[in-house]
Amino acid sequence: DTGVSQNPRHKITKRGQNVTFRCDPISEHNRLYWYRQTLGQGPEFLTYFQNEAQLEKSRLLSDRFSAERPKGSFSTLEIQRTEQGDSAMYLCASRPPGISVYGYTFGSGTRLTVV
Amino acid sequence: AQSVTQLGSHVSVSEGALVLLRCNYSSSVPPYLFWYVQYPNQGLQLLLKYTTGATLVKGINGFEAEFKKSETSFHLTKPSAHMSDAAEYFCAVRDSLQGAQKLVFGQGTRLTINP
Repeated sequence: DTGVSQNPRHKITKRGQNVTFRCDPISEHNRLYWYRQTLGQGPEFLTYFQNEAQLEKSRLLSDRFSAERPKGSFSTLEIQRTEQGDSAMYLCASRPPGISVYGYTFGSGTRLTVV
Repeated sequence: AQSVTQLGSHVSVSEGALVLLRCNYSSSVPPYLFWYVQYPNQGLQLLLKYTTGATLVKGINGFEAEFKKSETSFHLTKPSAHMSDAAEYFCAVRDSLQGAQKLVFGQGTRLTINP
């Protein structure tokens, strides 16, 4: 396992459609994060999982957004009724258990364009 | 709340010249600080991190950063720029000692290398 994998890499969707992204973390990493990055900005935190439990959600995560991590392995992020403002890069990151000196490994991201 | 300020959204240097990217942070807990690099349409790659110990941290690709607590700074440097260093650079700080310990990012600095 060489890193965090995200699929698809790119997604173009019409406004009002639902989309789902997938993140496969490094296998021994029990902590998983979702971030959103809009053009010209730094990534912003969306939500955090430890194993299968979603322990923290940002206020950025509106009711149209839902994330899951069944069985504490891969995670999905779903956006319902997409809006043009949802266009962004969605990044997933993972960390191993234990002491927190380890870095956060990011995936290559899913770029969403809502037309 | 923790925050990061990157001074200069765009920095341009000549190939072979010194690279200096500035980062100041605000943190109410002992800071863990990170520099990430992002190439176009890619995810974030960790350049280096400071957690504890030596305040001068060496990273990949010849980059290094110095943690200065008195100045609340963590500036990134490289003695001699290479064309391949052209990218977006993000400074980040861990937001807490417990819980999600998510990263808070700066707005980013786009580095351009002139031949």
